[in-house]
Amino acid sequence: SAVISQKPSRDICQRGTSLTIQCQVDSQVTMMFWYRQQPGQSLTLIATANQGSEATYESGFVIDKFPISRPNLTFSTLTVSNMSPEDSSIYLCSVGQGLPQYFGPGTRLTVT
Amino acid sequence: EDKVVQSPLSLVVHEGDTVTLNCSYEVTNFRSLLWYKQEKKAPTFLFMLTSSGIEKKSGRLSSILDKKELFSILNITATQTGDSAVYLCAVPPQGGSEKLVFGKGTKLTVNP
Repeated sequence: SAVISQKPSRDICQRGTSLTIQCQVDSQVTMMFWYRQQPGQSLTLIATANQGSEATYESGFVIDKFPISRPNLTFSTLTVSNMSPEDSSIYLCSVGQGLPQYFGPGTRLTVT
Repeated sequence: EDKVVQSPLSLVVHEGDTVTLNCSYEVTNFRSLLWYKQEKKAPTFLFMLTSSGIEKKSGRLSSILDKKELFSILNITATQTGDSAVYLCAVPPQGGSEKLVFGKGTKLTVNP
């Protein structure tokens, strides 16, 4: 399976600011996804990052709040904009050439 | 709406015990069911099941799918403290996408 890295591993941010999370894969992959895991909850898909086109967002998630870039087949970024304490979560990127998906190490975000 | 329900939500056992974790699902056009182990942040892939009645096995872990009754079980024999984790079950929803819908997970604690 691919080796996936995410930066930062964790961060503490003030409300109203934005944070960009990077996901890097050591090989080209077709599919990249971004998930959120709020405290005590399971994983919820935010969006599918499409190479060369706009991301596909799930119900309840919008581009203005979670802009995503995917400039090539090995890299993607997720920005959490205008943060509030409710955005405190683990953010995970996952990749796959079909199934199964493999997950990056995650970013633990705390918003104060 | 596609749905994944796991039970129990949490489980505490002693080392050496055998545990069975349950996952039931409702999804149109079922294709596969996946199990992940989540320690700390990143889920790691365990099994993907597509055919009913065929057991997948890896060391002390095994899993089987019942497509007629719409459920899967994950068995762990001779549990060790290192098996302590949240075990997640997921299915790809209808529509042919490779994204995943996750259950809430079972938190397993193995005490020495």
